[in-house]
Amino acid sequence: GAVVSQHPSWVICKSGTSVKIECRSLDFQATTMFWYRQFPKQSLMLMATSNEGSKATYEQGVEKDKFLINHASLTLSTLTVTSAHPEDSSFYICSAHQGGDTEAFFGQGTRLTVV
Amino acid sequence: DAKTTQPPSMDCAEGRAANLPCNHSTISGNEYVYWYRQIHSQGPQYIIHGLKNNETNEMASLIITEDRKSSTLILPHATLRDTAVYYCIVRLRGLRGSQGNLIFGKGTKLSVKP
Repeated sequence: GAVVSQHPSWVICKSGTSVKIECRSLDFQATTMFWYRQFPKQSLMLMATSNEGSKATYEQGVEKDKFLINHASLTLSTLTVTSAHPEDSSFYICSAHQGGDTEAFFGQGTRLTVV
Repeated sequence: DAKTTQPPSMDCAEGRAANLPCNHSTISGNEYVYWYRQIHSQGPQYIIHGLKNNETNEMASLIITEDRKSSTLILPHATLRDTAVYYCIVRLRGLRGSQGNLIFGKGTKLSVKP
């Protein structure tokens, strides 16, 4: 099946710094990618929809100035957590569809720990 | 998208079949049933999907009741590596662009025991 790759798989950063997470579709082009967040023992929650060549769409309660999304090409979307705080520590996961009628494929996730 | 109800947890003996139920009594006629699983600290993995006929692939079988109000995911010979949270999701197929996200419930935590 199609492959979606995330990098890094884990990161530890100091409070106040910024962290960039990459999501790549390795063998297909994705005009839309999705970013989810998962806190411990909870389910995945959609944060934002990343659209190639245009602005991302954020879910209610997600700060667009804190979680910067860039989708500059058909195979790469990046999520930057700016001025990270300990409460931003979470598991971040991206997904993409190979096409409109196919199932979603997910990256392996990025474990962010802010200390 | 229609809501789904799954038991929070289930146990299964290694080598036996794992049968995971899902209720989706408000499913509409053009909504599909999708199953994903999430192994600890990994991204979700697609398993199978169906509309009204039973489906089978190399990972699992999906049995959908005639009234489509419930379904069962069957892992025919569960292994320890099948321990994961299994999500049943009901949604329209063919949604493009910004409608393509999935809405995850709490799923069923399946524990396969030796």
